[in-house]
Amino acid sequence: ELKVEQNPLFLSMQEGKNYTIYCNYSTTSDRLYWYRQDPGKSLESLFVLLSNGAVKQEGRLMASLDTKARLSTLHITAAVHDLSATYFCAVDKVNDMRFGAGTRLTVKP
Amino acid sequence: DTAVSQTPKYLVTQMGNDKSIKCEQNLGHDTMYWYKQDSKKFLKIMFSYNNKELIINETVPNRFSPKSPDKAHLNLHINSLELGDSAVYFCASSQPGVYGYTFGSGTRLTVV
Repeated sequence: ELKVEQNPLFLSMQEGKNYTIYCNYSTTSDRLYWYRQDPGKSLESLFVLLSNGAVKQEGRLMASLDTKARLSTLHITAAVHDLSATYFCAVDKVNDMRFGAGTRLTVKP
Repeated sequence: DTAVSQTPKYLVTQMGNDKSIKCEQNLGHDTMYWYKQDSKKFLKIMFSYNNKELIINETVPNRFSPKSPDKAHLNLHINSLELGDSAVYFCASSQPGVYGYTFGSGTRLTVV
């Protein structure tokens, strides 16, 4: 069974600091995703990572994928309050997407 | 035009009742899903349908029955509602060769 582990589950950061969220998964996968969810809202797709060594960046967020280690990271650079949300990684094996538990990120001034 | 639309957005009902949540997608996707998000934010797949055919049925109580009248619709019917069914239910769709799932806005079900 495909399992996805994410850590940390809770992250409180100060503005301007850097941090990394980790996502491990148990079996080979077709694709790895990062989603953002704001309170009371749906899931917003941030990144899709397709191959080993893939790196994608959008603003202060950068995601990478190491398929050999079955590890993806989401790096936050110089955090700002607007990044406060819950971040999920998810792994997709043809019509079957499994999510990590989510990282609840709070960025404090 | 909403790509994946769910109705209702909120649903408050008493234990023991039967209720349905509807989902429609206008993206032409072949595959649709139901996910449950509990109070701790855990997202768990419940069902997936490909072209009206059930392909994933996780260990979900028999009280939950999905119905797909056509590939654009996937409804979720829940019988004999229990307190533990309170959650946010998300519908989603995807298409082979197109990366990413498109999620609906969610239905917050509260059983009292």
